[in-house]
Amino acid sequence: SSELTQDPAVSVALGQTVRITCQGDSLRDYNANWYQQKPGQAPVLVIYGKKNRPSGIPDRFSGSSSGNTASLTITGAQAEDEADYYCNSRDSSTNVLFGGGTKLTVL
Amino acid sequence: EVQLVQSAAEVKKPGESLRISCKGSGYSFTSHWISWVRQMPGKGLEWMGRLDPSDSYTIYGPSFQGHVTISADKSISTASLQWSSLKASDTAMYFCARLQLSSIGYYFDSWGQGTLVTVSS
Repeated sequence: SSELTQDPAVSVALGQTVRITCQGDSLRDYNANWYQQKPGQAPVLVIYGKKNRPSGIPDRFSGSSSGNTASLTITGAQAEDEADYYCNSRDSSTNVLFGGGTKLTVL
Repeated sequence: EVQLVQSAAEVKKPGESLRISCKGSGYSFTSHWISWVRQMPGKGLEWMGRLDPSDSYTIYGPSFQGHVTISADKSISTASLQWSSLKASDTAMYFCARLQLSSIGYYFDSWGQGTLVTVSS
């Protein structure tokens, strides 16, 4: 199927590690990317090509993938990391896919 | 610095037409695809389509083919999204984004600030 599935909400204690996942058949063939979106703002790319960080993105953000699941890990979550996170990839027809988004709460 | 600057918010009535725009600067506009992404109130991101500004070749997402038109004027480094007859269900925030097509994937490395479109009678 050409869908990407994310958990709607995840929470993490301040300073702890959290993993946000994205599942889909297309992830077996194509890399995932991750975006952070805070209320009232445009999304920001935090991980591309499965595990690469754009300049300016803190190294507490990392990406990985196994089989049909891609993961975004935040090691030592900060209050400013509270946001919605979206994965994206592509399908075999060159369509762009987005996951439904995960709302991260930092407690 | 790469920038995508979008046109201002719009309030329209059902049945009216609309064109919103996205002006690129700080890079070669014709060297990168541009996409439009919809975000309905309180909902997630939806890919609408992509356009190659060098020749205006366009691919639409399955849910948007026939409902919108994506175009570009490379002489002014501007992409556009237009509707011929708006519906209330078109109410949403619309983002343009620069799309990187590479061997490691398709990803959006720069985004416009968004244009809020409100359709109400």
